[in-house]
Amino acid sequence: KQEVTQIPAALSVPEGENLVLNCSFTDSAIYNLQWFRQDPGKGLTSLLLIQSSQREQTSGRLNASLDKSSGRSTLYIAASQPGDSATYLCAVGQGAQKLVFGQGTRLTINP
Amino acid sequence: KAGVTQTPRYLIKTRGQQVTLSCSPISGHRSVSWYQQTPGQGLQFLFEYFSETQRNKGNFPGRFSGRQFSNSRSEMNVSTLELGDSALYLCASRTSGTGSLGTEAFFGQGTRLTVV
Repeated sequence: KQEVTQIPAALSVPEGENLVLNCSFTDSAIYNLQWFRQDPGKGLTSLLLIQSSQREQTSGRLNASLDKSSGRSTLYIAASQPGDSATYLCAVGQGAQKLVFGQGTRLTINP
Repeated sequence: KAGVTQTPRYLIKTRGQQVTLSCSPISGHRSVSWYQQTPGQGLQFLFEYFSETQRNKGNFPGRFSGRQFSNSRSEMNVSTLELGDSALYLCASRTSGTGSLGTEAFFGQGTRLTVV
C-alpha cells in the first residue's frame, strides 16, 4: 500500500527566504507526482505535475524534483512571499486515475 | 475556460439522511474522481469515473456511490449519513486516464458537508 509522507507538517519562515518542502513515498511504481496548494476552506490548486520519466519541473518561482528510486520529491520555492502562505500537498499517481496524498505542509511566510 | 464546478458549496444534513453532490468537469475532460478530506484522515480517494463507467474505487463503505452522465458531469451520493461523514468532498477532472502517463488533475472548490 502506497504511503506518502510530508515533512515538516508546518513551517514558518520570513519573507524573501528560499525554502524546500519534502515529500516521500514508499512504492516507486508511480505514474506521476503532483504538487498542490490549498488555501483554508478552499479546493486544491495544481502547481506542478512531474511524470515518472521526468526529473524536475519548473513554474515561475517553483521547482519540483522527483527521484523515483529513492521515493522522494522536493518542492523548492524561491524568494518566498506572504501570498505563498498555504498548505502544500504532494500526491502520487497510482495507476492513471488515483492520487494518494500526503498530509501536507502548512507554510506561513511572515512579512 | 471554466474550471471544475461543484454544487452545492455547503450542506447541512441530519444523521440518517442521504445527500447528493454534483461535479461538472472542465469542458473536454472525461475523467472525474472524488475525494474526501477530513482533518484526521486527510485526502482519501473515493472513486473515479470515465465515460460513465466506474474504473476505480477506494476503501469506503457501500453507502458511498456515484455515477457519471453522458456529458461527463458526475454525482456522488451518500446514504444513511453518519456524523463521521462530515468532510470536504472534492472532485477532480482530467483529460483522460488511459495510457502510461497520468494527466494533470484539476480540482473544484469542494462541497463542505456537515452532518448533525
